[in-house]
Amino acid sequence: LAKTTQPISMDSYEGQEVNITCSHNNIATNDYITWYQQFPSQGPRFIIQGYKTKVTNEVASLFIPADRKSSTLSLPRVSLSDTAVYYCLVGSIYNQGGKLIFGQGTELSVKP
Amino acid sequence: GAVVSQHPSRVICKSGTSVKIECRSLDFQATTMFWYRQFPKQSLMLMATSNEGSKATYEQGVEKDKFLINHASLTLSTLTVTSAHPEDSSFYICSARGDKDRMNTEAFFGQGTRLTVV
Repeated sequence: LAKTTQPISMDSYEGQEVNITCSHNNIATNDYITWYQQFPSQGPRFIIQGYKTKVTNEVASLFIPADRKSSTLSLPRVSLSDTAVYYCLVGSIYNQGGKLIFGQGTELSVKP
Repeated sequence: GAVVSQHPSRVICKSGTSVKIECRSLDFQATTMFWYRQFPKQSLMLMATSNEGSKATYEQGVEKDKFLINHASLTLSTLTVTSAHPEDSSFYICSARGDKDRMNTEAFFGQGTRLTVV
């Protein structure tokens, strides 16, 4: 399974845009890129998923370059409640049963 | 999104006893379920993958006789921690993936179970 690398931590202030980049150099052809958010003592929550180019939903955007070896999660105008750990995962239901292997994640701290 | 319910959310048990954790997909059929364990300040570690009606596949280093997984139906999987010891104290999280007919599907996670063995 493709391994992912993210910054361990990031700091931001309320109202700013936050971009978290994830490297996945060994991504397979069938793999999708999925981002999850986790608060302490809770299960991860789906944020966004994409395969290539750009995906946008009501909470975030996901930018994927043509080579797909990295991806960037963009959170517009963060608030204190966005303080959490963000995980980038790559995988596919067609590879190894679709199991999702978590990397270390990025701990985002949003300050007032 | 789809809902995965985990029960109990917290459990305290005595050393040497067994504890069962349930994971249910409430509004979809989960063809595959995953069980994770998470220690404080660490990432989620995949323990095993289970498909409905078949034996679970355990990750390397996870004792299958200690962590019994049953996936008897498309909406229920259980994890039983047998002969629990204090070092088994952790946050256990289940995840379910549904319909494989779609090109790809996201996995939905339960809210987690905090196990404390005393």
